[in-house]
Amino acid sequence: AQSVTQLDSQVPVFEEAPVELRCNYSSSVSVYLFWYVQYPNQGLQLLLKYLSGSTLVESINGFEAEFNKSQTSFHLRKPSVHISDTAEYFCAVSENTGNQFYFGTGTSLTVIP
Amino acid sequence: KAGVTQTPRYLIKTRGQQVTLSCSPISGHRSVSWYQQTPGQGLQFLFEYFSETQRNKGNFPGRFSGRQFSNSRSEMNVSTLELGDSALYLCASKQGAQDYGYTFGSGTRLTVV
Repeated sequence: AQSVTQLDSQVPVFEEAPVELRCNYSSSVSVYLFWYVQYPNQGLQLLLKYLSGSTLVESINGFEAEFNKSQTSFHLRKPSVHISDTAEYFCAVSENTGNQFYFGTGTSLTVIP
Repeated sequence: KAGVTQTPRYLIKTRGQQVTLSCSPISGHRSVSWYQQTPGQGLQFLFEYFSETQRNKGNFPGRFSGRQFSNSRSEMNVSTLELGDSALYLCASKQGAQDYGYTFGSGTRLTVV
């Protein structure tokens, strides 16, 4: 089974500052990688995913993540955060079936005005 | 189109009772998965159904069961409820067997007293 580690449980950052949320996974076999965001009292929303191809993937709201196979990492970054980015962020990994996700414990991002 | 719909949103049950949670996937989605989210354990995979067949099951006791109907709607049942079953139960759907990136519902918040 996969193991997903999100190294920071809480990340406070000032508005318009850059942020990086870290994610590492355990296996070097072929995996698919995802970032989900959860706002209070809501379900998970897919932010971005890596399936194959370019190792840098982007979302429509300015987030990007880079797949690094040698370091088994999939860190999430944003160059300038907004208040509305305050939420819980989950990194997830699935193996080649794509049917079962292994989630990290989440990182709570708080954007400070 | 409508998202993944979970009912009810909130539920309070007594220890020893049983409960049934419902999930209506996005129209056309045939794969449905269930996850349990708790502060201590994070997001844990319960089971996944595709075309009425359970394809994967997580590491939960037999008190947790599920099924999927011919219209892809899914239910999960928990019998003999324990205090530790209090959690947010999330349902997620995707279109096909190899389609990646689940869409999650808003969840059912179950409280066992």
